[in-house]
Amino acid sequence: DTGVSQDPRHKITKRGQNVTFRCDPISEHNRLYWYRQTLGQGPEFLTYFQNEAQLEKSRLLSDRFSAERPKGSFSTLEIQRTEQGDSAMYLCASGPFETGKIGELFFGEGSRLTVL
Amino acid sequence: AQSVAQPEDQVNVAEGNPLTVKCTYSVSGNPYLFWYVQYPNRGLQFLLKYITGDNLVKGSYGFEAEFNKSQTSFHLKKPSALVSDSALYFCAVRDSGAGSYQLTFGKGTKLSVIP
Repeated sequence: DTGVSQDPRHKITKRGQNVTFRCDPISEHNRLYWYRQTLGQGPEFLTYFQNEAQLEKSRLLSDRFSAERPKGSFSTLEIQRTEQGDSAMYLCASGPFETGKIGELFFGEGSRLTVL
Repeated sequence: AQSVAQPEDQVNVAEGNPLTVKCTYSVSGNPYLFWYVQYPNRGLQFLLKYITGDNLVKGSYGFEAEFNKSQTSFHLKKPSALVSDSALYFCAVRDSGAGSYQLTFGKGTKLSVIP
């Protein structure tokens, strides 16, 4: 399967710990998004990369959150000093170069974070 | 700011009947509109989109959606529902003039097709 893969699929941590999620996009895709989804809600935008450049970040994104995409391939999302309110599903999506494919994203199955 | 509203948390329809899942949007400029579907334990999948041109757009699995600028709506439709269509459906919008690549999603509508 050459879809978007995310790791780990589930993470349980204690409040105050740091966690890191990894996303491997579809190899030829230059666009990469991170979203957060809680129960009963739609995906909430966190950040956007075009190749290795982080072009957009949500204004709601706490400074405890940081994302990287070195070399424009895989991406990591780190949450420092986790809080119970960070418990959510973290979704990664990738997309090809936009011409003719505006908004067509391929989502991974997500990484579920539970903060105790 | 851009936003999407899906007024129905759940839609129930009998198999074989037509289905509609409603979506309204708000953007400053012209909208790019999308529908995604999420099956249990699966990632969101792209269904269809409106960028420009014909107001009626067709997508995967026999779904279509109609863009209505005056009503700021983009309802998802299918002439004959299948049990396998049961899933969570998300409408999304992006403002074409905002210089942003961000898609804003609605809360989702759970579609249940009853045999």
